[in-house]
Amino acid sequence: DIQMTQSPSSVSASVGDRVTITCRASQGISSWLAWYQQKPGKAPKLLIYAASSLQSGVPSRFSGSGSGTDFTLTISSLQPEDFATYYCQQANSFPGLTFGGGTKVEIK
Amino acid sequence: EVQLVQSGAEVKKPGESLKISCKGSGYSFTSYWIGWVRQMPGKGLEWMGIIYPGDSDTRYSPSFQGQVTISADKSISTAYLQWSSLKASDTAMYYCARKRSIAARENWFDPWGQGTLVTVSS
Repeated sequence: DIQMTQSPSSVSASVGDRVTITCRASQGISSWLAWYQQKPGKAPKLLIYAASSLQSGVPSRFSGSGSGTDFTLTISSLQPEDFATYYCQQANSFPGLTFGGGTKVEIK
Repeated sequence: EVQLVQSGAEVKKPGESLKISCKGSGYSFTSYWIGWVRQMPGKGLEWMGIIYPGDSDTRYSPSFQGQVTISADKSISTAYLQWSSLKASDTAMYYCARKRSIAARENWFDPWGQGTLVTVSS
């Protein structure tokens, strides 16, 4: 299986801050990567697919970049509703799809 | 509206069997892969496996092969996840999720079901 490593595992930030989360794949996956947001007690929600494409309805303050093994999710100006846990998922190795360990974005 | 609705929470004893469901609506159920994801208490997301309801082609993550069975009944637009003998370690939230598109390599998922909490305790 392709291993996905996210960093940091948690980050404390204030409303208005720029937040960057990194995801590294154990082998190259081109742009076959998605990002999800999960709030407590809720199902995950797709934010970004194909490494940088914004899912319909997702605010433009979210952006994704990267290819190969290194990827980034950026929230340009953190809003109160963005406090959640974020997961990357590699989509290259089917059916051995794998998620990163998650990054919890907390209020500073 | 494309929607996946899962069956309700379950409380079971070790050794019991269980089948939980995920009903799709608002789209052609036979045209999109549906996957299952486990989330143990306080932990991250784990991919379990996936099924194509059109022909019941089913694939499993190596970690879950032989541990669960994924199936679908296209006549009622419903996918299933089942256990023949539950263990305490199966206690978790289980989500179903539909592939966002029918394109073969686009293996990302939207929408997701609301989740089914399975508790296994003696």
